[in-house]
Formats: sequence, C-alpha cells, structure tokens
Amino acid sequence: GAVVSQHPSRVICKSGTSVKIECRSLDFQATTMFWYRQFPKKSLMLMATSNEGSKATYEQGVEKDKFLINHASLTLSTLTVTSAHPEDSSFYICSAAGTSGNYNEQFFGPGTRLTVL
Amino acid sequence: GDSVTQMEGPVTLSEEAFLTINCTYTATGYPSLFWYVQYPGEGLQLLLKATKADDKGSNKGFEATYRKETTSFHLEKGSVQVSDSAVYFCALSRYSSASKIIFGSGTRLSIRP
Repeated sequence: GAVVSQHPSRVICKSGTSVKIECRSLDFQATTMFWYRQFPKKSLMLMATSNEGSKATYEQGVEKDKFLINHASLTLSTLTVTSAHPEDSSFYICSAAGTSGNYNEQFFGPGTRLTVL
Repeated sequence: GDSVTQMEGPVTLSEEAFLTINCTYTATGYPSLFWYVQYPGEGLQLLLKATKADDKGSNKGFEATYRKETTSFHLEKGSVQVSDSAVYFCALSRYSSASKIIFGSGTRLSIRP
C-alpha cells in the first residue's frame, strides 16, 4: 500500500506556543488529506478535510482559527495548533487519499503525540 | 447522524482461538463498511471492506459480512495468532474509504501464546 509519513512523531511544547505537524504522501499524489484527533481509548474524530489548493472543511465544533490546515501541494499537508493549551494534548493522525486505482482510499500516517505543558 | 458502535475491549484470547468483534452501525442509505487495524507503532491499515448488503469482506483470515437487516458488520477469524494483536476499528463511509469515514471506538485485541 501507499506510505504516509508524519513529522514529528512526538512533540512537547509549552502552553501558548504554536506547533506544526506535517503529513506527507511519499509515493502518490494525495488530492485529499484528512486530519483526525484520537483521545485515549476513544475513536478517531475527524477534524477537517482538505483538498489541494483550497481551504479546509472543518467538522462541527472544530475551531478553524485554532487548528490551521494548509494543503499547498499534492504531497504535503500541515496542521498548526496555535496557542496550544494542555487540553490540546492528544494524538493527531493524518490520512491521504488519491483518486485513481489503488490510491482511491485513505492511507493513514503513524500519528503525532502532542503534549502541551 | 451516522455512527458506529463496537464492542469494548480489551479482548484477550489464546492463540488459535475463535475471534468475534461485534460492530453495529446507524446510517441512512447504504454506507460502505470497513474494518481497520492499527498495529503497535503503526498507522491504521484497511483490513477489509464491504460496499453493499450481503457482501463479505475478507483478508488475512478475517471475515465480515454486511448485514443490512441487523445493521451489523461483525469481524471474525477462525484461529487467531499472536501477530493479530492490535487495535481494530469498525468504520463506515457514505461513499468510499477515500471520503469521510466515521470510526467506532476501537477494540484492543491481545493474543496469548
């Protein structure tokens, strides 16, 4: 299957700072990327969907000014958690989907553990 | 809205035991149904899928049948191995796995040698 990477895998930051997480599709062009948040022992909750070159579509209850998503190319999307607070601590997972053949499904990254002190 | 409910874990079995992880869904229309698996330290992987009623998805010895009448998609395997230890997520999408997916809460499976 296709490979999706995330960087960093783990980040610890102070309250009030901003953190950027990168999601890359390594061997295919991702027309759509998704960002999820996973709480301990809970399901993945979709935060937003982004299509290359256009603004992200956020799920209800997700603050778009808090979680900035950029999908500037067909292989890279970034999630920036602005002015992070301890309640933003979570496991963030991205996925990427192409449109043709074997890439017409979501391929998931390994996730990024964010801890805000 | 659409939702997925799956049995809570953790589930602990001995090697070669029979596995069932229950999953039911609520959705209008005819969603596509999926099982994803998350091995330790790795991203979610699509295990199997079914796109219409009575379809059976299968992969790596796992099976699940799309039951419209009971709105269920239970995961089964006849003989589990230690390497099957992982977290399993039942999920649905209105269209395909390339579009918005709604996940269940996940079931952690541990297999004893």
